[in-house]
Amino acid sequence: AQTVTQSQPEMSVQEAETVTLSCTYDTSESDYYLFWYKQPPSRQMILVIRQEAYKQQNATENRFSVNFQKAAKSFSLKISDSQLGDAAMYFCAYRSANQGGSEKLVFGKGTKLTVNP
Amino acid sequence: GAVVSQHPSWVICKSGTSVKIECRSLDFQATTMFWYRQFPKQSLMLMATSNEGSKATYEQGVEKDKFLINHASLTLSTLTVTSAHPEDSSFYICSASTGYLNEQFFGPGTRLTVL
Repeated sequence: AQTVTQSQPEMSVQEAETVTLSCTYDTSESDYYLFWYKQPPSRQMILVIRQEAYKQQNATENRFSVNFQKAAKSFSLKISDSQLGDAAMYFCAYRSANQGGSEKLVFGKGTKLTVNP
Repeated sequence: GAVVSQHPSWVICKSGTSVKIECRSLDFQATTMFWYRQFPKQSLMLMATSNEGSKATYEQGVEKDKFLINHASLTLSTLTVTSAHPEDSSFYICSASTGYLNEQFFGPGTRLTVL
């Protein structure tokens, strides 16, 4: 079974600074997707960024970028120029991409990010 | 686009009663819907996966007779918590996707409190 580990229960960053959230995962599959979701106090899950395992290039979405190290099974999220609105719980998630595989998302335990003004 | 709604957003009920939560895809057809449960300060745990017109597939440890899931149309799935007890109090979130291995879009969640 696949597992996702987020080793940082809480992180804090100063506004306008950069922060990196860590995520490692374990799988025997070769084809999969990795995601970072944001859950603000409203509890609405918001997709931040997604990475296909077969792509070597790291995904980027504006101020959000990932460092995907497939061999190390590591998938960290970097938030640049942090804003107050970035404060939220961040969940790393895994999903199989194999035909016939499970569609379910496997989530890590989350990292609570605080942004200090 | 890709909006998913849930109703109600919060509900309080007495122990022993049943509660139904609706999950609707507003602007797309959802062939698959997922139901998650999230306890305070914890992660999301998948309860079950439902495909339109088929029986739901439950995760290990989830009581299918207690958490009844119906996915009768391409835009609506319902979760019924039968004979609810205080330990069922939680935040229930649904998500929907347009097809196999497509992106999941999440609803805003329903907070259930059982007294």
